[in-house]
Parts: sequence; structure tokens; C-alpha cells
Amino acid sequence: EPEVTQTPSHQVTQMGQEVILRCVPISNHLYFYWYRQILGQKVEFLVSFYNNEISEKSEIFDDQFSVERPDGSNFTLKIRSTKLEDSAMYFCASSRQGGTQYFGPGTRLTVL
Amino acid sequence: SQELEQSPQSLIVQEGKNLTINCTSSKTLYGLYWYKQKYGEGLIFLMMLQKGGEEKSHEKITAKLDEKKQQSSLHITASQPSHAGTYLCGAVGPTYGGSQGNLIFGKGTKLSVKP
Repeated sequence: EPEVTQTPSHQVTQMGQEVILRCVPISNHLYFYWYRQILGQKVEFLVSFYNNEISEKSEIFDDQFSVERPDGSNFTLKIRSTKLEDSAMYFCASSRQGGTQYFGPGTRLTVL
Repeated sequence: SQELEQSPQSLIVQEGKNLTINCTSSKTLYGLYWYKQKYGEGLIFLMMLQKGGEEKSHEKITAKLDEKKQQSSLHITASQPSHAGTYLCGAVGPTYGGSQGNLIFGKGTKLSVKP
């Protein structure tokens, strides 16, 4: 059964460094999403992406964040200058039009 | 903005017992999703409900959406240790009227099943 994959599973970085989180969505899906979950808190929407552009973004998704689909299979989230409060689990999801969002296993980001 | 309240926050049941988790929305739901999350892992899709009064079942899990489309319940029959985890309800955000768009989640209900 197709699934969303994410790499790395765990990323440790120093405050101020740039990180790129990678996702491979399900192959016939066209809608892509990033969510994050700070430890002990709700899963929060960050951004949705369709047809090579951002469809919607939340207040969390400020200028420090960017997304890209560099090729036909990968979908990335970049944080330009990480802060301590960016420490969280980051989930990628994908869906067909009007379909269920399927989530990846997540990347645990730790900012020191 | 739309809020989802889940109850209870946590639940400990004896294996074999039935249980119900509730999810209440402050606004009419256009689509309601149930996911299961194990600690430190991703979200596993369980079921999606769209129509008022709709009910879906998968194995021993049944989800219902009330007629007014503001409350959903998840019922597990004869619970097993494999059912343990955190159950999240998610609703399509207010930006879109249909099922495309960002999901807003409740805080989750943590279920423990004692053997």
C-alpha cells in the first residue's frame, strides 16, 4: 500500500541553522501539506501546496519557512534560521483532490 | 475560528471493554476525520464522515456524525491492547467549504488498554 515517507526521522540542529525536511508524497496525489506538533500540543496546520504554489498557509508559516517541490517526487520544508520554539514533530501529508489526507511518520526536529 | 473539543482527555479501560470518545465542534462540520497516533509516530487514518447521521465501521471501531454535524463519536467494541494510542479528530478548516483544505485537530484522547 502506498504511503508518505519522510526523512530524516530525527534532526538535531543548532539555533540559527537552516534545516530542510524532506517528504515523498503518495505518487498519484497532487495536494501536499505540512503540519507540526509541539510536544504535548495539538497538531497544527502550516501550509498546503498545489500546482507548484502555496494554496494556504497559517500564521505560523512566516518568512522563515518555505516549501518546494524540487522534482516530481519530493516535497520539502525549509526553515531558514531555526529557533528553539521550532522544536517539534513535523508531519507531511498528501491527498488527491477532495480526498483524505494521508500522513507520513514525521520528522522530530530538535533545536539546541 | 473553529475549535474541536475532545472528551475525555484520557481513558484507561480493561481489555475487552467498550468505550466511546467524543469530538464536538464549535461550527458545522463539512468533513470530520478520525486518526490514530501512537506516541512519537505519524497519524493513521481511520475514517472520514461527511453527511449528517452518517455512521462508518471498520473492524471493531465505529464512528458516527450527528444530524446537526457538530458532534462525532468514536466507539470501540471489545477493546484490545492494539487499540491503545491517541485518537484525534480533525475537521476541514473554515477556508474551504468542501473536503480540500487544511485540517484543524482536537487535542486528542489518549487511550490505554490494560490486559
